[in-house]
Amino acid sequence: EDQVTQSPEALRLQEGESSSLNCSYTVSGLRGLFWYRQDPGKGPEFLFTLYSAGEEKEKERLKATLTKKESFLHITAPKPEDSATYLCAVQADEYTGNQFYFGTGTSLTVIP
Amino acid sequence: NAGVTQTPKFQVLKTGQSMTLQCAQDMNHEYMSWYRQDPGMGLRLIHYSVGAGITDQGEVPNGYNVSRSTTEDFPLRLLSAAPSQTSVYFCASSYSGRSGTEAFFGQGTRLTVV
Repeated sequence: EDQVTQSPEALRLQEGESSSLNCSYTVSGLRGLFWYRQDPGKGPEFLFTLYSAGEEKEKERLKATLTKKESFLHITAPKPEDSATYLCAVQADEYTGNQFYFGTGTSLTVIP
Repeated sequence: NAGVTQTPKFQVLKTGQSMTLQCAQDMNHEYMSWYRQDPGMGLRLIHYSVGAGITDQGEVPNGYNVSRSTTEDFPLRLLSAAPSQTSVYFCASSYSGRSGTEAFFGQGTRLTVV
């Protein structure tokens, strides 16, 4: 059973059309939920870490929120340069060390 | 700032060959890890290290070895390459401090085994 599930797998938006990406998790003892952006041929780039339900963080057009079962990455008035794959990962008490468990990502395309 | 540096960026191996993927970080992070990324499967942990001299297996360790003789370096060795090891490999280093945890990734090594 997948412990981190991201939806949708792919999303196409018109420039300026706001939307949300979802990351649901089933781990116990969440220590942190992480959002990354990955451009083609590049490594994941850190965006946010959320630690407790109700927490929110913002960066430019992106806003991440966390509940006890899921996280949302809200994209407000996206631009073509926001096109990328967005990855969600968790750290939890059930993992040893500092391990991250990743979802499969949402591929976002923003059309001019 | 160099961050996490991986070499090589691309590599083609024949089945049965061995090779070492290099990873170096200059942030003095104790924790380093290796992931592979395959289409539709997300990033999966191969091996990790919580400090020099300490390594452990992740989710998919078979066919790979690691060692950590210094804080900076964490090489990944493929013992006898197989086509199933065709993938993109990422090295990451991370720290956990008072402000929380952050992980930094290298640019990846694209490996093809023929």
